[in-house]
Amino acid sequence: GAGVSQSPRYKVAKRGQDVALRCDPISGHVSLFWYQQALGQGPEFLTYFQNEAQLDKSGLPSDRFFAERPEGSVSTLKIQRTQQEDSAVYLCASSLGLAGGYEQYFGPGTRLTVT
Amino acid sequence: GNSVTQMEGPVTLSEEAFLTINCTYTATGYPSLFWYVQYPGEGLQLLLKATKADDKGSNKGFEATYRKETTSFHLEKGSVQVSDSAVYFCALSENFNKFYFGSGTKLNVKP
Repeated sequence: GAGVSQSPRYKVAKRGQDVALRCDPISGHVSLFWYQQALGQGPEFLTYFQNEAQLDKSGLPSDRFFAERPEGSVSTLKIQRTQQEDSAVYLCASSLGLAGGYEQYFGPGTRLTVT
Repeated sequence: GNSVTQMEGPVTLSEEAFLTINCTYTATGYPSLFWYVQYPGEGLQLLLKATKADDKGSNKGFEATYRKETTSFHLEKGSVQVSDSAVYFCALSENFNKFYFGSGTKLNVKP
């Protein structure tokens, strides 16, 4: 079956531009996570949704980062006024949730390069 | 706070060698522990997990035991294959809503 998909796979942005990264989770998955992975590092938690509710956004590094999941399915991570330090791979993961299991299924990631 | 520390790589082994990748953790409560693997060109996949002290997770010949006394969750495999070449991440979560990952250990297995 279809896994988690992310688009675009690669994004180059000039410093100061806004970007939007999309995540399509596995159908029926309640929980959705965003992570930021810098080169040579492990994923760092950004935010978590249960259905459309954003239950934890403690990992968002600044108020330039914003995530939404308005209908409890597709999610968008938006970064305003991008900076060079935002360059990273952004990973999305989904899971059935506490009622159905906590195993996270990861997408391939979006590699963002800010020039 | 919560954190995970892994041994730095890369780790280079010959086929059929014994593998150990060390992982230690710091947690405020009683976390579940995980190993994820990322094969070249693919996304992260759950390899194995353990949800309480003394549990042993196992999959595909890999094993890890949750040691509360040493706050460790070392990954082991008795005989590695070339196909095991990948990056391995140790992770913890206390509530399955927020996960903390180590920095990853790259494994290269030579034929």
